[in-house]
Amino acid sequence: NAGVTQTPKFQVLKTGQSMTLQCAQDMNHEYMSWYRQDPGMGLRLIHYSVGAGITDQGEVPNGYNVSRSTTEDFPLRLLSAAPSQTSVYFCASSSAEYQETQYFGPGTRLLVL
Amino acid sequence: GNSVTQMEGPVTLSEEAFLTINCTYTATGYPSLFWYVQYPGEGLQLLLKATKADDKGSNKGFEATYRKETTSFHLEKGSVQVSDSAVYFCALEVVSGGGADGLTFGKGTHLIIQP
Repeated sequence: NAGVTQTPKFQVLKTGQSMTLQCAQDMNHEYMSWYRQDPGMGLRLIHYSVGAGITDQGEVPNGYNVSRSTTEDFPLRLLSAAPSQTSVYFCASSSAEYQETQYFGPGTRLLVL
Repeated sequence: GNSVTQMEGPVTLSEEAFLTINCTYTATGYPSLFWYVQYPGEGLQLLLKATKADDKGSNKGFEATYRKETTSFHLEKGSVQVSDSAVYFCALEVVSGGGADGLTFGKGTHLIIQP
């Protein structure tokens, strides 16, 4: 049981490049989400999904796309990276939409030059 | 909207000292409250939670009581250890007619315990 896994651990991009941050969970959780963590800001919700085929926007969705084709995977796409997207990105999953423990992955550190 | 305010620190204590990390919140509905902990280089882990007023969450010697009258969820531990050094996040979750909107986090409190 690996829990929530994220790849890559670290990535450097140039402005305008695109990339996909991968997230997978093996706990059969319906609810998955993406957060970004910035110094002095705590974590902020980017996008979330309550099940395969269903996604919705969080607090800071601009510049990011998501899709949920399977229960296990929830990739986050940066279409045209900007320096403001330099951050640490965390994926999380839980067995229910609310009042349940969120299990976080180890994070992806992204630097956009 | 929803928001969480917590002391940012760093908070530096000696081993075996008493710990309090304050957390207050503003919510549009009836929130569930959480404390998450982040050890260096790792993701967040749930420390404890409370889903209704007057509930007390506890885990690993840490406690927090959901106080609706003061909109607070302060984290306490009677005797801290060096291994408790980490960043602690207070968070809330509000369920509305459209479902939950994810967790709203405070900015985090960096706790440093010295031997």
